[in-house]
Amino acid sequence: KAGVTQTPRYLIKTRGQQVTLSCSPISGHRSVSWYQQTPGQGLQFLFEYFSETQRNKGNFPGRFSGRQFSNSRSEMNVSTLELGDSALYLCASSLGTSGEETQYFGPGTRLLVL
Amino acid sequence: AQKVTQAQTEISVVEKEDVTLDCVYETRDTTYYLFWYKQPPSGELVFLIRRNSFDEQNEISGRYSWNFQKSTSSFNFTITASQVVDSAVYFCALSEPAGGSYIPTFGRGTSLIVHP
Repeated sequence: KAGVTQTPRYLIKTRGQQVTLSCSPISGHRSVSWYQQTPGQGLQFLFEYFSETQRNKGNFPGRFSGRQFSNSRSEMNVSTLELGDSALYLCASSLGTSGEETQYFGPGTRLLVL
Repeated sequence: AQKVTQAQTEISVVEKEDVTLDCVYETRDTTYYLFWYKQPPSGELVFLIRRNSFDEQNEISGRYSWNFQKSTSSFNFTITASQVVDSAVYFCALSEPAGGSYIPTFGRGTSLIVHP
């Protein structure tokens, strides 16, 4: 069974731009969660989608948004990028809701904002 | 106060030593889940164990073992006879109910370095 895939793996943007990251979950998994990992703040929960509906959202500004498609693939978007958005963005999928079920993580997208 | 505290920022051991990674959590919920993940240098988090709040039974999986104690709100992880391949950052996480689902909170991680 293929694992969680994320594209692109690396990305360089400049301040003020926007970016869209993609995540394809493991086949059959309906929940996709996104996390931001930085040296300063550690691993922080961004949001979770389950069956195309956002179930929960972490403490991030409205510039961070996401969506999930009918095939469970998910995208997250960050608008008006700031230097502090430079981070490793991890996506995880699970059969059910993220908190109860085992999550399987993708390799991440490393975003650098200049 | 942090919900998940991993007080050890970095641990350095020599191969074959036993090592314990500490995790202390804080929650008011009676139903919650605890996890441990391993993050090797490649960056991808690897699931190690999940435990719900009603199951305090300790678990052993090969060289890995976990000790869950609700009385002290701790969920510690021990690696027996460590190996160089165990070198990674290990994260403890707590999932609490929120809005019909659960929200996970991760500790800051413990970097384990195993020297040959």
